[in-house]
Amino acid sequence: AQTVTQSQPEMSVQEAETVTLSCTYDTSESDYYLFWYKQPPSRQMILVIRQEAYKQQNATENRFSVNFQKAAKSFSLKISDSQLGDAAMYFCAYRSGYSGGGADGLTFGKGTHLIIQP
Amino acid sequence: NAGVTQTPKFQVLKTGQSMTLQCAQDMNHEYMSWYRQDPGMGLRLIHYSVGAGITDQGEVPNGYNVSRSTTEDFPLRLLSAAPSQTSVYFCASSKFWTGGPYEQYFGPGTRLTVT
Repeated sequence: AQTVTQSQPEMSVQEAETVTLSCTYDTSESDYYLFWYKQPPSRQMILVIRQEAYKQQNATENRFSVNFQKAAKSFSLKISDSQLGDAAMYFCAYRSGYSGGGADGLTFGKGTHLIIQP
Repeated sequence: NAGVTQTPKFQVLKTGQSMTLQCAQDMNHEYMSWYRQDPGMGLRLIHYSVGAGITDQGEVPNGYNVSRSTTEDFPLRLLSAAPSQTSVYFCASSKFWTGGPYEQYFGPGTRLTVT
């Protein structure tokens, strides 16, 4: 079974600064997908960014980018120019790339609570 | 499109009571699933369905039943509520997994308290 570990229960950053959230995972599969989800106080789960394991290029979505190190099984999220609206819980998640395994849904880490200091 | 909807948003049950959490999606997604979120934990998969009439267990299925009679609806039944089932429940849907990184769309969640 796959596991996802987020080692930082809480992070704090000054507004407009850059912050990096860590995620490591353990899997024996070679085909998989990784995601970062944001959960603000409203509780809604919002997809921030996704990465296909077969792509070497790191995914980027505006101020959000990832550092995907497949050999190290690391998938960190970098938020540039932090804004007050970025304050939330952030979850790293894994999904199998195999037809049957993908039906097992997402495996989540325990989350990192991101605080933005004005 | 309304996306994924869940009812109710909040619910309080007494131990031993039963209830059904409703989930519906209007995106014609084949795949639907239920997760629970406990404090300090990420979401954990309870049950999932890859199409009408097809369901299977996830990581934490005990105490829950599901059925999928239509593509749109995927209710979650608590048979005899226990305090350990106090949690926030999320329903999610996506295109069925055929090799692409399909996004899972989440409902707003149901906060359930069992006393």
